[in-house]
Amino acid sequence: SAVISQKPSRDICQRGTSLTIQCQVDSQVTMMFWYRQQPGQSLTLIATANQGSEATYESGFVIDKFPISRPNLTFSTLTVSNMSPEDSSIYLCSVDSGGSSYNEQFFGPGTRLTVL
Amino acid sequence: AQSVAQPEDQVNVAEGNPLTVKCTYSVSGNPYLFWYVQYPNRGLQFLLKYITGDNLVKGSYGFEAEFNKSQTSFHLKKPSALVSDSALYFCAVRANTGGFKTIFGAGTRLFVKA
Repeated sequence: SAVISQKPSRDICQRGTSLTIQCQVDSQVTMMFWYRQQPGQSLTLIATANQGSEATYESGFVIDKFPISRPNLTFSTLTVSNMSPEDSSIYLCSVDSGGSSYNEQFFGPGTRLTVL
Repeated sequence: AQSVAQPEDQVNVAEGNPLTVKCTYSVSGNPYLFWYVQYPNRGLQFLLKYITGDNLVKGSYGFEAEFNKSQTSFHLKKPSALVSDSALYFCAVRANTGGFKTIFGAGTRLFVKA
C-alpha cells in the first residue's frame, strides 16, 4: 500500500489569495489524482497529473484556477488561485494501488481549506 | 457515461443487526466496482472491490458485497453491525471509457445505534 501525506492539513485564507497544497507519496507512481470534497459529500475529480506531461482537467476545472505541478514520480502540488469562499472544501490527493488503473486508490488525509 | 447511484442518504441500524448499503451503477463495458469508507475527520479507506470472478467479494472489517450484473448492483453488506461501523460509505466505479477515471456515488451515511 502507498502512504500519502499532504501539507498543509488545513488552512484559513483570505479571498483573492492563493494556496499551494503539497502531496507526497512514499513510492513512485505514474498518475496522481486531485479531488475536491465538500464535507460529508461526494468526491469530484479535479485533474489527473502524470509526471512529465500537462495535467488533464475535468469539466468545470481550468488550469488557471487550479495549476498543478508534477516534478517527479513521488510528488505533486495543487494550487488554488484567486480564492473565493466557494473554494472552501477538502482537497484530496490520490494514487492507484500498484500503479494499476484496475485497482483501488489510496488517498491522502486531505487539506481542509476555508476561504473567508 | 458511467455513473453510480446510492439511493439512500442515510441508513440506520441497531448494533448486532445485519446492514445493507445499496449501490447501482451504469457503465459501458466491464465495470470495476469499489467500496470506500470515510470515518469522521479521516481520509477515504478502501474496503473491497469487484474486478472479475466470484460475485460475492469479501473485504475489510467483515464487510462483503455482491455483484449482480443483471440488476447492475453492488450492495455492501455486513451480517452484524458494530457501533464503530458508523461512517460515510462511498460506492465507486471505474471503466475504460476514455481513461480509467473513478466515479464516486453521493455517499451513504451509516448510523449504528447501540
